[in-house]
Amino acid sequence: EVQLVESGGGLIQPGGSLRLSCAASGFTVSSNYMSWVRQAPGKGLEWVSVIYSGGSTYYADSVKGRFTISRDNSKNTLYLQMNSLRAEDTAVYYCASLGDQYYFDYWGQGTLVTVSS
Amino acid sequence: QSVLTQPPSVSGAPGQRVTISCTGSSSNIGAGYDVHWYQQLPGTAPKLLIYGNSNRPSGVPDRFSGSKSGTSASLAITGLQAEDEADYYCQSYDSSLSAPNYVFGTGTKVTVL
Repeated sequence: EVQLVESGGGLIQPGGSLRLSCAASGFTVSSNYMSWVRQAPGKGLEWVSVIYSGGSTYYADSVKGRFTISRDNSKNTLYLQMNSLRAEDTAVYYCASLGDQYYFDYWGQGTLVTVSS
Repeated sequence: QSVLTQPPSVSGAPGQRVTISCTGSSSNIGAGYDVHWYQQLPGTAPKLLIYGNSNRPSGVPDRFSGSKSGTSASLAITGLQAEDEADYYCQSYDSSLSAPNYVFGTGTKVTVL
């Protein structure tokens, strides 16, 4: 059974940094396309970033230059390093795997990031 | 902001049929990219409901069906049940930028009367 478990969320001041983790079981992170998707309180879903199996990384314009997606193959874990955080980054962050037709097939339970002074 | 437009809400009585539209453009749905649908129950993570326009993952009831035409797609729920009350999102791929861009719809809240 595929399971994705996020951690690392919390309350952080504007301008601060936070690293989210997504531990996978039941499949191999490095062999799949993996993404982060976020959802601001009471709002819709927003794609944040993707890392392809070959290692290429891409970002939404709203986080480009501030967020970095990466993975640790030995730990089968996906990461999202978030720097220069803003109030508008407040959201539940989900990690999700991408199926071969560009759909998000498996999702974690999410971790809440609150950016506030 | 979302590039796929959905109605904010739809409602229906138990047993009825409801449909949710998802309107895109020539750089996403109209460009031939598949549309996928997700169901998000209150307080939970989204769950894949329909992939590749009309395919159901294992375990999804056949009350849920999807279709695509031109620059739009639709999700239909027949025989509406109380447990179908949730938020629904469409999703596709957009090629208007020089880099990958996975886009979601604005979301639709389904209320069972």
